[in-house]
Parts: sequence; structure tokens; C-alpha cells
Amino acid sequence: AQSVAQPEDQVNVAEGNPLTVKCTYSVSGNPYLFWYVQYPNRGLQFLLKYITGDNLVKGSYGFEAEFNKSQTSFHLKKPSALVSDSALYFCAVRPAQTGTASKLTFGTGTRLQVTL
Amino acid sequence: GAVVSQHPSWVICKSGTSVKIECRSLDFQATTMFWYRQFPKQSLMLMATSNEGSKATYEQGVEKDKFLINHASLTLSTLTVTSAHPEDSSFYICSARANRNQETQYFGPGTRLLVL
Repeated sequence: AQSVAQPEDQVNVAEGNPLTVKCTYSVSGNPYLFWYVQYPNRGLQFLLKYITGDNLVKGSYGFEAEFNKSQTSFHLKKPSALVSDSALYFCAVRPAQTGTASKLTFGTGTRLQVTL
Repeated sequence: GAVVSQHPSWVICKSGTSVKIECRSLDFQATTMFWYRQFPKQSLMLMATSNEGSKATYEQGVEKDKFLINHASLTLSTLTVTSAHPEDSSFYICSARANRNQETQYFGPGTRLLVL
């Protein structure tokens, strides 16, 4: 069975400082990895994904993530945090296959709090 | 591109009534859509996979007679909560994968249901 671990319930960062939100995963075969962000009372917004190729992927709003196969990790990073980045972040994984059998599994979410 | 809408955004109903939630892919066709439920401060729980023109596939523990899913076209899936009870109160989120590119799931803004 596939799984995602987000070990931190909350990450606190001062504006302007770099941020990292951690994610590790377990899946059979090659993974498709995703980061989504959720603002209060809203659905999930797609940030970025790793499918294949370059291990460092860049996404929306200046976020990036690095796929590390040996450590089975896909940490989300941003060089300089903004107060507006404060939200709930979800990491997700699914096997690299098409079809309805390929279901997305989410981590429990990490709340990012950026303060002035 | 890749916009998913949900209607209504929130609904309050009396116990025993039925509530229909619509999920539409606005600028792409989606053979496969997904329905999730999210409890406060928790991750997303997959309820069912909705397949256009065929029966939905429900996750273990989800009552198919309670949560009726109809995916009548390539851009519309509906979730009907039948005979709603207060314990059905939750945040319901749909998502869709575009037929032209099934790598990524795009999420709707969610529907908050409150059953009195």
C-alpha cells in the first residue's frame, strides 16, 4: 500500500527566510509526486509535480521541490517566505500508471505559518 | 486552464433531506473524477472514483446508497447525499483528471455541508 508522511504538523518561518516542508513517501514502482496548497474553506490548489526527469521541479508562487529517490523524499522549499504563503500544504503520491486504479494518497498536511 | 468548479459552495439542510453537489470540469474533459471528504484539520479521504458512463467505485466503508454518484457527461459528476444526518456534515471536495493529460488531478473549491 502506498503512503505519505508529513512529519511536521506545523512549520513556523519568519518572512524573508527560506522554508522547507517535509514529505516522505512509499509506493510500489515509480512515483508521481505532488504538492497542493489549501487556504481556509477552499479546495486544493496544485503547486507542482514530479513525474520524471529533473529531480528539482519548480512550481507556482516560487515554490520548488526536490525528488530524492534514495531517501524517498519530496520536500517542498521556497527561498524566501511570504506572509501570504501561510496555508495548509499537502504532499501526495500515486503510482506512475494511468487508469482509475492509480489513486492519489495524501499526507496529513502541514500548516505553514509565516510571520513578520 | 484545468479549472474545476463545484456548486453549491455551501449548503445547510434539515436532517432527512437529500443534497446534490455538482462538480464540473470547465475547460477540459474528464472521464474520471473523484470525490473526497475532509474533516476539520484532517487530510482528504477518498470516498469514490466516478467514471463517466459507468458505476462509481466506492472506497471501503463508504455507503454507496448513502452517497449516490452520477457521472453523466465528460464534464459533470454529481454527488447526492441521501437522507442526510448531522454526522454527514463535512467539507466535500471533488477533483478531476483531464483526459488529454492524466498525470495531474485538479480540485474544485469544495462544498461545505451542514446538516441540522
